[in-house]
Amino acid sequence: SQKIEQNSEALNIQEGKTATLTCNYTNYSPAYLQWYRQDPGRGPVFLLLIRENEKEKRKERLKVTFDTTLKQSLFHITASQPADSATYLCAPINQAGTALIFGKGTTLSVSS
Amino acid sequence: KAGVTQTPRYLIKTRGQQVTLSCSPISGHRSVSWYQQTPGQGLQFLFEYFSETQRNKGNFPGRFSGRQFSNSRSEMNVSTLELGDSALYLCASSPGASGGYSYEQYFGPGTRLTVT
Repeated sequence: SQKIEQNSEALNIQEGKTATLTCNYTNYSPAYLQWYRQDPGRGPVFLLLIRENEKEKRKERLKVTFDTTLKQSLFHITASQPADSATYLCAPINQAGTALIFGKGTTLSVSS
Repeated sequence: KAGVTQTPRYLIKTRGQQVTLSCSPISGHRSVSWYQQTPGQGLQFLFEYFSETQRNKGNFPGRFSGRQFSNSRSEMNVSTLELGDSALYLCASSPGASGGYSYEQYFGPGTRLTVT
């Protein structure tokens, strides 16, 4: 069955460091992959989308990579800040544009 | 543009009852997806509607159903509620048009359902 695994449930880093979150998928060949941020008590907020033919995508301090051979996406936050503390979810997207499965998320805590 | 709205925000029901949740997508968005979120299972896909037709369906029992109206508003219904149905139910909308459109989903704040 299709499966999404995010590397760890929790990640603690110091302010200013780079946070790297991992998303691995199996039995799936997504056309795209999205990353979302979710704060407690709120719905997820879209951050970045990367297509299968793109190796890397950047947006301000965020960077996403997509390796279809390894079936893995990496999400980086550079110069992390306490305000980046949240849960980050990855979601592969099928050709119709539907996110059928989400990872369980990695909760990032950035300490000052 | 106004965001995705969901009503009600909180709901308490008893086992065996049924419940209807409502979602109003962003104006112009034709795709509406529903998700169940629990601490143990994370975000799980229920179904997606596009132009009043169910386009995708997740692995949930038939007690979970939905529909979409011509104005893209959507409702989901859960019949014969069980304790395990207690969760945050999230609705997300996206443009859903073909060819070069954005796949990003805009989530509502969710409806917190508690079944006692």
